[in-house]
Amino acid sequence: DTGVSQDPRHKITKRGQNVTFRCDPISEHNRLYWYRQTLGQGPEFLTYFQNEAQLEKSRLLSDRFSAERPKGSFSTLEIQRTEQGDSAMYLCASSFLTATDTQYFGPGTRLTVL
Amino acid sequence: ILNVEQSPQSLHVQEGDSTNFTCSFPSSNFYALHWYRWETAKSPEALFVMTLNGDEKKKGRISATLNTKEGYSYLYIKGSQPEDSATYLCARYSGNTPLVFGKGTRLSVIA
Repeated sequence: DTGVSQDPRHKITKRGQNVTFRCDPISEHNRLYWYRQTLGQGPEFLTYFQNEAQLEKSRLLSDRFSAERPKGSFSTLEIQRTEQGDSAMYLCASSFLTATDTQYFGPGTRLTVL
Repeated sequence: ILNVEQSPQSLHVQEGDSTNFTCSFPSSNFYALHWYRWETAKSPEALFVMTLNGDEKKKGRISATLNTKEGYSYLYIKGSQPEDSATYLCARYSGNTPLVFGKGTRLSVIA
């Protein structure tokens, strides 16, 4: 399978704990995106990388959130001191930058904060 | 229109019915309009990308049209089948900025 993969698929944690998610993009793609989707909403942009460089962060990304893409391949998204409002589906997507930037998504990590 | 808006929010149709959804978006600084299909427990799947006013795309029983001047796109499904049940998302691309998604239209096809 050469698609975008995410791990874990589901995560249940207690409020105040830290969690880390991983995304493995399609190998030749140079862009990697993180989105958050909550009930009744479409995916909301969080941050993106071009190769190793983090080019943009949404104002949705509070100081408790950090993302890395250390070698321009896989990426991690860490949430520190989780809050109940962090409960959501976290989606990763990758693309090879073109004029239309068609993005290919992973299956997401569903986070539940108790 | 400042955001990408989709209607209806949800739709229930009988197997065999044809249906359509609307995506409205800001027409300024427009590069491309994407449609995705998102089935439960799966990854969102790219259906179409359209860039030019008047573009029409088709994949099997699903087709889409684009009007960049007035800022809307329609997605049509002919002869809906239960396997078409999914959330259909549209997203606007305005060039070197993140995709902006609508809230989606949730389609349920009843056998």
